[in-house]
Amino acid sequence: DGGITQSPKYLFRKEGQNVTLSCEQNLNHDAMYWYRQDPGQGLRLIYYSQIVNDFQKGDIAEGYSVSREKKESFPLTVTSAQKNPTAFYLCASTAASGDTQYFGPGTRLTVL
Amino acid sequence: AQRVTQPEKLLSVFKGAPVELKCNYSYSGSPELFWYVQYSRQRLQLLLRHISRESIKGFTADLNKGETSFHLKKPFAQEEDSAMYYCALSSCSGAGSYQLTFGKGTKLSVIP
Repeated sequence: DGGITQSPKYLFRKEGQNVTLSCEQNLNHDAMYWYRQDPGQGLRLIYYSQIVNDFQKGDIAEGYSVSREKKESFPLTVTSAQKNPTAFYLCASTAASGDTQYFGPGTRLTVL
Repeated sequence: AQRVTQPEKLLSVFKGAPVELKCNYSYSGSPELFWYVQYSRQRLQLLLRHISRESIKGFTADLNKGETSFHLKKPFAQEEDSAMYYCALSSCSGAGSYQLTFGKGTKLSVIP
């Protein structure tokens, strides 16, 4: 374990508020990813970034935003535009695109 | 578009019985496939990938391009194998970047 950290572990948000989830890695990995995990849905890709200052939308990017100002950090903002934000969010990184992905412990977001 | 199908949401087997977790994929390119596992209270981690042809914790998976399958097998199930298993396909999303497409997962329960 270690290498990729996500904080907080649990997060509660009121409707209409934006919230930012943290993802940090000390593996010197170039690529980082954000997934959403829902029961019975598997993992769905939200955003990914191959290098600093560059990122691409995944399959379900609407209502989310990201930044990649540093190699080791890839924060995800869940905006008020996200219609159903309550979910488990996973961050991952990989040394090279297409290589094995290493996952963080996840953040469980609940909208009240 | 790429797609990964895991037909069983839940699979229950007795300890010592053989296990087969099914995975079928749809992809027009040359597939690279993975099995990830999530044990209770642990983070998602790689179990095996087809290009390495390794056997991890007694599990094997063979890529069958004719049947577009990558089933996960183990001859004798152990209680510690109880977990959530995800099949994933790596595909090129353009400009040398790759992304993983996950199946919806199969929960394996090994009955003592």
